[in-house]
Amino acid sequence: KAGVTQTPRYLIKTRGQQVTLSCSPISGHRSVSWYQQTPGQGLQFLFEYFSETQRNKGNFPGRFSGRQFSNSRSEMNVSTLELGDSALYLCASKGRDTQYFGPGTRLTVL
Amino acid sequence: QKEVEQNSGPLSVPEGAIASLNCTYSDRGSQSFFWYRQYSGKSPELIMFIYSNGDKEDGRFTAQLNKASQYVSLLIRDSQPSDSATYLCAVNIGSNFGNEKLTFGTGTRLTIIP
Repeated sequence: KAGVTQTPRYLIKTRGQQVTLSCSPISGHRSVSWYQQTPGQGLQFLFEYFSETQRNKGNFPGRFSGRQFSNSRSEMNVSTLELGDSALYLCASKGRDTQYFGPGTRLTVL
Repeated sequence: QKEVEQNSGPLSVPEGAIASLNCTYSDRGSQSFFWYRQYSGKSPELIMFIYSNGDKEDGRFTAQLNKASQYVSLLIRDSQPSDSATYLCAVNIGSNFGNEKLTFGTGTRLTIIP
């Protein structure tokens, strides 16, 4: 069974730009969660999608948004990038009991 | 008080010894608890999850849960250099299906000394 895939793996953007990250969950998994990981704050929950609906949301500004498609693939969008948005963005595919993480997208904002 | 707290370490343990990692959580309604291992530059990988009070063993790993004390721990027996990593404790805050949110501690950095 293929694992969680995320694209792109690395991204460099400048302040004010926007970015879209993609995540394909494990086949058969319908829930996708997104996390931001930084050295200072650790892993922080962004949001969760299930069957194309946002089911849960963390404490991030509205610049962070997401969506899920009918095939369970999910995208995350960050608009008006700030330097502090530089982080590893992880998506997690949730099965019956727990979540499995993808390799992450490392975003650098210059 | 943080929702999930871990000692950030670093924790150094001799090869072959038992490594003990601890985690406390604030929400008494939490139902499920997870330990992830994260190597530098990699994404977290699941080691174990535990739902019920007591011990759960899987190979060299034992998770221990005490809901009354709001405490979960991970023991690694016969520690190997390959166990050197950051260990993340995660708690599912929210007891209702559909209202779950995995909250992570900041992680404990473990180093196994050959």
